[in-house]
Amino acid sequence: QSALTQPASVSGSPGQSITISCTGTSSDVDAFENVSWYQKHPGKAPKLMIYAVTKRPSGISNRFSGSKSGNTASLTISGLQVEDEADYFCYSYAGSGVFGGGTKVTVL
Amino acid sequence: EVQLVESGGGLVKQGGSLRLSCAASGFLFSDYSMSWVRQAPGRGLEWVSSISSGGSSIDYADSLKGRFTISRDNAQNSLYLQVSSLRAEDTAVYYCAREKSYYDILTGHQTYYFDHWGQGILLTVSS
Repeated sequence: QSALTQPASVSGSPGQSITISCTGTSSDVDAFENVSWYQKHPGKAPKLMIYAVTKRPSGISNRFSGSKSGNTASLTISGLQVEDEADYFCYSYAGSGVFGGGTKVTVL
Repeated sequence: EVQLVESGGGLVKQGGSLRLSCAASGFLFSDYSMSWVRQAPGRGLEWVSSISSGGSSIDYADSLKGRFTISRDNAQNSLYLQVSSLRAEDTAVYYCAREKSYYDILTGHQTYYFDHWGQGILLTVSS
């Protein structure tokens, strides 16, 4: 199973856009069609933000978007808001599941 | 409303065993694959195990095979995780999650993701 690498932290000011990357070490293309993203606030359950690389579940703000290029998937948060400050994890499944190490988003 | 409620956590000594439970409601439990995911203190999320809707297909993280056993009782709308030979590094909040699949007809790819999560239950392993 591919390991997924995320930057430890990303920061931005309110209203700005930030992008979190999730890079795989495997050449398994199927793994990268499987990427989903989760937001986690301390003490709370994870929350699905993006699935199937680009799809947004019902109820998730369109400020959140997903994309993929080669073996790197990305989550972009536009119009950054204070409540977006959280940890974000990418996840992929290709035979077994794996999460990225997580990225702490700080709103300055 | 989909609800997942974990129970059975607590303080256990190293080498001990415990069974975690997840009670599901608000959806047809027998239609969905389910998973366990954990988060150790100060660490990231770690996928633990998944079980198919009927229980015939099971996967585990390689590092946990042999010590953890996932099971389900569709009649009781419940998911379980039997954890044994516990180590300090198993200390974590354990979440149960409902797994969904999405088939993209344009690419032919089947994807899997977690659309609902429980609030988690803390398992602490003491030395």
